[in-house]
Amino acid sequence: QVLLVRSGAEVKKPGASVKVSCKASGYTFTNYYMHWVRQAPGQGLEWMGWINPTSGDTKYAQKFQGRVTMTRDTSISTAYMELSRLRSDDTAVYYCTTGGNYFDYWGQGTLVTVSS
Amino acid sequence: QAVVTQEPSLTVSPGGTVTLTCGSSTGAVTSGHYPYWFQQKPGQAPKTLIFDTSKKHSWTPARFSGSLLGGKAALTLSGAQPEDEAEFYCLLSYSGARVFGGGTKVTVL
Repeated sequence: QVLLVRSGAEVKKPGASVKVSCKASGYTFTNYYMHWVRQAPGQGLEWMGWINPTSGDTKYAQKFQGRVTMTRDTSISTAYMELSRLRSDDTAVYYCTTGGNYFDYWGQGTLVTVSS
Repeated sequence: QAVVTQEPSLTVSPGGTVTLTCGSSTGAVTSGHYPYWFQQKPGQAPKTLIFDTSKKHSWTPARFSGSLLGGKAALTLSGAQPEDEAEFYCLLSYSGARVFGGGTKVTVL
């Protein structure tokens, strides 16, 4: 079955960067785009962007342009999302999601806490 | 960036029917926005119920259906069950970029 395994929780100071990983298994990693979605505590879902694992092409939400970088390592079927210049309102659970219909399968999410 | 709007909350009686809607600040929602609907319960990752306006996954209960209604995407729950109580989010596509709605809290009461 499709599994998306997240990296562990992170605590970062304002201004720092964080890199979250998502290791995929149970399907051919390059077959499906990987999307990243985040959810601040008690808030709604927010789409951040996607990466095409085959080409490395990306598309980011306008809000995150210049601050987010999505990459992948096809040799280990892993996608990464790096967010820089962190602020307190970046505190959220960060999800990776993928599938033939784009959002079929979701990881359990990585909690990133930004606090001084 | 477009703004996607949903009702903040709705209540439905057990066995009853409720329709959630999803509107776009750019105008009418069409099939070209490839509307998605997700269900999220507390402490869990979202789960896709509907994609491409009205298509269901194998895990989508038959009581959920998607459509376009009055210029919006719609999710109809017919025969609500207590376990359907959750937050529901729609997602629209804008030339490859995606935007979530703010979510609708559905209470079965």
